[in-house]
Amino acid sequence: EAQVTQNPRYLITVTGKKLTVTCSQNMNHEYMSWYRQDPGLGLRQIYYSMNVEVTDKGDVPEGYKVSRKEKRNFPLILESPSPNQTSLYFCASSLRGFINEKLFFGSGTQLSVL
Amino acid sequence: EDQVTQSPEALRLQEGESSSLNCSYTVSGLRGLFWYRQDPGKGPEFLFTLYSAGEEKEKERLKATLTKKESFLHITAPKPEDSATYLCAVSYNNNDMRFGAGTRLTVKP
Repeated sequence: EAQVTQNPRYLITVTGKKLTVTCSQNMNHEYMSWYRQDPGLGLRQIYYSMNVEVTDKGDVPEGYKVSRKEKRNFPLILESPSPNQTSLYFCASSLRGFINEKLFFGSGTQLSVL
Repeated sequence: EDQVTQSPEALRLQEGESSSLNCSYTVSGLRGLFWYRQDPGKGPEFLFTLYSAGEEKEKERLKATLTKKESFLHITAPKPEDSATYLCAVSYNNNDMRFGAGTRLTVKP
């Protein structure tokens, strides 16, 4: 089954404790991205990657890191999480980009930073 | 400022009561307007893409239309299973995309 898989679904952590949220897609998509979803604000892009070893900042990249060493994986790293990073996070992918193509989303990761 | 605004924030309908959701945008260089459906606890799921004013697309009880300033998602004779949050997103210029905050639709039997 074609899908985007995120883990974990739920994560509670404390300020400053490094964490990684994993994302994997099995559709051989070139484009992958991370979004955060906050009430009343809609989805906001954190980072995106057009291909292996190519990553770019989105609208809200501060406090986040990503890497794209393999085509299928795009982990999101929070090296020193803070409470304002409490949010619902989604990974998404598409064949070549987001301008003219639909995105496939994972099921989300609800992060709480205490 | 580039913006995508959805209205209403929430909409409650009786089963069979048709209505429309609005997505207005103020961006230059529109490339595409996307509608997604999001169920609780899940990621958004693609519904439609519209590329130019006047374009329409349909899927079951849903019909999406596009003008130069806004898009409508028309829901005809909705059923309870149509309850979800509907998101619109706009891609523009060469590398930009904005999502609206969504409309939360509840259809009562």
